[in-house]
Amino acid sequence: QVQLVQSGAEVKKPGASVKVSCKTSGFIFTDFYVNWVRQVPGLGLEWMGRISPSSGVIHYAQKFQGRVTLTTDTSAATAYMELTGLRSDDTAMYFCARGELIIRRQVGHDFWGQGTLVTVSS
Amino acid sequence: DIVMTQSPDSLAVSLGERATINCKSSQGILFSPNKKNYLAWYQQKSGQPPKLLIYWASTRESGVPDRFSGSGSGTEYTLTISSVQAEDVAVYYCQQYYSTPLTFGGGTKVEIK
Repeated sequence: QVQLVQSGAEVKKPGASVKVSCKTSGFIFTDFYVNWVRQVPGLGLEWMGRISPSSGVIHYAQKFQGRVTLTTDTSAATAYMELTGLRSDDTAMYFCARGELIIRRQVGHDFWGQGTLVTVSS
Repeated sequence: DIVMTQSPDSLAVSLGERATINCKSSQGILFSPNKKNYLAWYQQKSGQPPKLLIYWASTRESGVPDRFSGSGSGTEYTLTISSVQAEDVAVYYCQQYYSTPLTFGGGTKVEIK
């Protein structure tokens, strides 16, 4: 069955970096985008960007451009999201989510990771 | 960027009654080659990741109860829960996946009256 399993909760100091992993199974990793979505506690969903493991094409939301780096390890079917220059308002739950690569077959995000809570506090 | 505006922010519905959630996009999200509106609806229960309910504005994801339906075209879309059940208490989000950055509506919280 399709699974996306994320790394555990992190506590970081302001100015630090965090790298969250998303290990996938049950589908062909290179056939799908891996998207990253964050949710500040009590607030809505915010799309951060996506990466194609097959082509390496990346789309970032402008808000995060320059601070976020998306990468994949195709041999491990794992995607990573690194966020630098952490601030207190980066405290949020970070989700990875699958998305179809082929445009005419896209349906949104059909499978999600369980989420990784990143807390930024001095 | 395409702005997604949801309404209402919250609604309280009696068990068995209908709930209607609206979503407006700031521009059209029709993908011409397949004539599909690239609009999804998600349900997020407390402490869980979002769950895909509806895609292409009106296609139910496998396993989603048929009391959930989506409609709309152009820039106006609706999610309807025909007979609200206790397990439908959640926050519902619309999302356009027509163009990057993909964008979500602000969410609608559904509670039982």
